[in-house]
Amino acid sequence: GAGVSQSPSNKVTEKGKDVELRCDPISGHTALYWYRQSLGQGLEFLIYFQGNSAPDKSGLPSDRFSAERTGGSVSTLTIQRTQQEDSAVYLCASSRSGGRTGELFFGEGSRLTVL
Amino acid sequence: DQQVKQNSPSLSVQEGRISILNCDYTNSMFDYFLWYKKYPAEGPTFLISISSIKDKNEDGRFTVFLNKSAKHLSLHIVPSQPGDSAVYFCAAYSGAGSYQLTFGKGTKLSVIP
Repeated sequence: GAGVSQSPSNKVTEKGKDVELRCDPISGHTALYWYRQSLGQGLEFLIYFQGNSAPDKSGLPSDRFSAERTGGSVSTLTIQRTQQEDSAVYLCASSRSGGRTGELFFGEGSRLTVL
Repeated sequence: DQQVKQNSPSLSVQEGRISILNCDYTNSMFDYFLWYKKYPAEGPTFLISISSIKDKNEDGRFTVFLNKSAKHLSLHIVPSQPGDSAVYFCAAYSGAGSYQLTFGKGTKLSVIP
């Protein structure tokens, strides 16, 4: 399809394990975002990539979280040594241009459950 | 500290009537506001937006009103349809160069046929 694609859609892991979440943005979109939604909460900004610029990582909650975007396209969010509070839906979005000038298109999310 | 607040977790409305979803914000730097709609197991989709230089924006059945002095905005859906049943998120940007959206917790709207 032509939308933002995320995988896996569901991931159950044990506390202390590492997980990788993948996002394939819409072709041609230069901006890519990661947000997460914990139970009963709004979406929380994690990280922003725009073209070849250095990413804004200011929303990452701890140094266990990291993300990269290869070739200006696919992005991977990695959570090391997962904790139960990491359980959430992780949403990726892309836009043609960054900021308010570009409409964000969200993927369906990756639901992470840490036991 | 919630900068965007949606104080009603849920709302039920009869089909054909008006749905009014409310949103309050505390950050006076917010200057561009959006509403997103989310169906279960799907990502949020953009619905309508409003700049702080306006007090109203209309798109078909959807109208967003902004009251800057009260730091309050509302989304009106008229007439409400069963397909409008979803979670609605209010979100805001602060400053022309901003790209971080601050979201509220959402309001679940149920439109009863």
